[in-house]
Amino acid sequence: DTGVSQDPRHKITKRGQNVTFRCDPISEHNRLYWYRQTLGQGPEFLTYFQNEAQLEKSRLLSDRFSAERPKGSFSTLEIQRTEQGDSAMYLCASSRDGYGYTFGSGTRLTVV
Amino acid sequence: AQKVTQAQTEISVVEKEDVTLDCVYETRDTTYYLFWYKQPPSGELVFLIRRNSFDEQNEISGRYSWNFQKSTSSFNFTITASQVVDSAVYFCALGPAGNNRKLIWGLGTSLAVNP
Repeated sequence: DTGVSQDPRHKITKRGQNVTFRCDPISEHNRLYWYRQTLGQGPEFLTYFQNEAQLEKSRLLSDRFSAERPKGSFSTLEIQRTEQGDSAMYLCASSRDGYGYTFGSGTRLTVV
Repeated sequence: AQKVTQAQTEISVVEKEDVTLDCVYETRDTTYYLFWYKQPPSGELVFLIRRNSFDEQNEISGRYSWNFQKSTSSFNFTITASQVVDSAVYFCALGPAGNNRKLIWGLGTSLAVNP
């Protein structure tokens, strides 16, 4: 399978815990995006990488959120001290320099 | 401001009916892109079409067709002879000019096609 992989598919965590999600993009894609989607809403941009450089972060990405893309390959998104408002679907997409996104299946986070 | 409006929250049709999903966008850019994505219950966003702002030709792909009208800032999507498998949430998105290539999304239209 050469699509975008996200792990885990589902995560339930207690408020205050830290969580980390992983995204494996299509190998030849140098851009990687993270979006967040809550129920009944469209996706909202969080951040993006070109190769290993994080080039833009949304104001939605508070200092509890951090994303990395070491070596320009897979990416991780970590949320520290989770809050109930963090419950959402976290979507990863990759592209080769343009708008031709391929999305992963997402990680659904539930904070209880 | 850049914005995408999908005024129809939910649509329910009977199989084989035609259905049109509306999308209106706002941007001051002269160069931009418009997209439609499908999100079935499994959650993965599936790309359907990309249109750039200089190409107003309508497009048809099987039972799907798209009508882009710059004069009304609309990019509507029609499914002809709908099928149960078309049931999903459909999103319209705007890709402004700029190097970051991030998308601005509408709220989506939930389409239910009933047998």
